[in-house]
Amino acid sequence: NAGVTQTPKFQVLKTGQSMTLQCAQDMNHNSMYWYRQDPGMGLRLIYYSASEGTTDKGEVPNGYNVSRLNKREFSLRLESAAPSQTSVYFCASSAVEWDNQPQHFGDGTRLSIL
Amino acid sequence: QKEVEQNSGPLSVPEGAIASLNCTYSDRGSQSFFWYRQYSGKSPELIMFIYSNGDKEDGRFTAQLNKASQYVSLLIRDSQPSDSATYLCAVRLSNFGNEKLTFGTGTRLTIIP
Repeated sequence: NAGVTQTPKFQVLKTGQSMTLQCAQDMNHNSMYWYRQDPGMGLRLIYYSASEGTTDKGEVPNGYNVSRLNKREFSLRLESAAPSQTSVYFCASSAVEWDNQPQHFGDGTRLSIL
Repeated sequence: QKEVEQNSGPLSVPEGAIASLNCTYSDRGSQSFFWYRQYSGKSPELIMFIYSNGDKEDGRFTAQLNKASQYVSLLIRDSQPSDSATYLCAVRLSNFGNEKLTFGTGTRLTIIP
């Protein structure tokens, strides 16, 4: 019963490097989300995907790209990492078959950009 | 004005007392409201959701919603040290199929033994 799985759990990058954060869910959810969480800022939405094949920008999309590979997987890519992208990244998913569905979160990826 | 506002705390409550956490939101079209608990270094986990005016109870937790005042609260009765965490309020607009949530910055709650 894995739920939402994120890899890696920790990563240190140098400025300018690229990397992809992976997320997979096994709950057959249609919607998936990427958030970043910074001290005092709460959770901020980077990108989301309402269904397979669609993606939309959230509150803070600059510097990121996403791919909804299939219904299960939603990846987040940093093309040229910057120190301002040091954060904890959470992936989440939710069902849309009826209203009031909560989002289920993965364990997070702690990313440091030096 | 922030879309979802919470007092950042820390809120300190003696063990066994009632902890009261508050959240206000700016968009009158908001329909669904969620409370998440987040332990330090962990991911958010759902505590309760509410979408009708009034109270909703689940064990030691009660969510209260007042749409006219744009206010949602979470009461924790018989507070335990294990309730010490950050509590996040999240709000969603009414569009069915649009599952985006807007989160507050969270209130840090400390239960004092």
